[in-house]
Amino acid sequence: NAGVTQTPKFRILKIGQSMTLQCTQDMNHNYMYWYRQDPGMGLKLIYYSVGAGITDKGEVPNGYNVSRSTTEDFPLRLELAAPSQTSVYFCASSYSPSGETQYFGPGTRLLVL
Amino acid sequence: AQTVTQSQPEMSVQEAETVTLSCTYDTSESNYYLFWYKQPPSRQMILVIRQEAYKQQNATENRFSVNFQKAAKSFSLKISDSQLGDTAMYFCAFMKWNRGAGSYQLTFGKGTKLSVIP
Repeated sequence: NAGVTQTPKFRILKIGQSMTLQCTQDMNHNYMYWYRQDPGMGLKLIYYSVGAGITDKGEVPNGYNVSRSTTEDFPLRLELAAPSQTSVYFCASSYSPSGETQYFGPGTRLLVL
Repeated sequence: AQTVTQSQPEMSVQEAETVTLSCTYDTSESNYYLFWYKQPPSRQMILVIRQEAYKQQNATENRFSVNFQKAAKSFSLKISDSQLGDTAMYFCAFMKWNRGAGSYQLTFGKGTKLSVIP
């Protein structure tokens, strides 16, 4: 199993550009999550999904959108990128939400200039 | 709101020695979960150890163990026989059911940077 994979590893965006961060898991997990990690801080939840076709907002959803058309994929869309979105983005998945371990991807570093 | 506090921004330990990282949290819940994650320079978040609040016995994973004091809301991580590969950021995390969101949510502390010195 590859676990949770994310692409790209690093990206530079100009203000106002859009992009999609890709996340794929091969563990047949129902639950998937997107976090952002700002310098010197812990992770904050952006969006999560409890299964294909079902998504919901986390703590910091503004400026982002997600979709979940399959169990495996959970892309994160940034529309009109802003400098405040400069961060490291982590995708995670778990079999269930009830205290189950979340498996994290390697992260995508995004720089908005 | 739940808060997780890691009071030690940076720590260092000699190789083969023991080090303890501290974590406190604030909650009014009785059922929850606690985690320690390791983030090496590769940036990937790796689960180190997990503790269910309803279990009195402290969790142990090889060289890693926790001291869970539920009444004091304390969850420290002890690393024995420290190895160079233990050098990383360590994050304490708290998970509970969020009624407003209708889901479990994971809250992270700000992390402790651990350096293992040869």
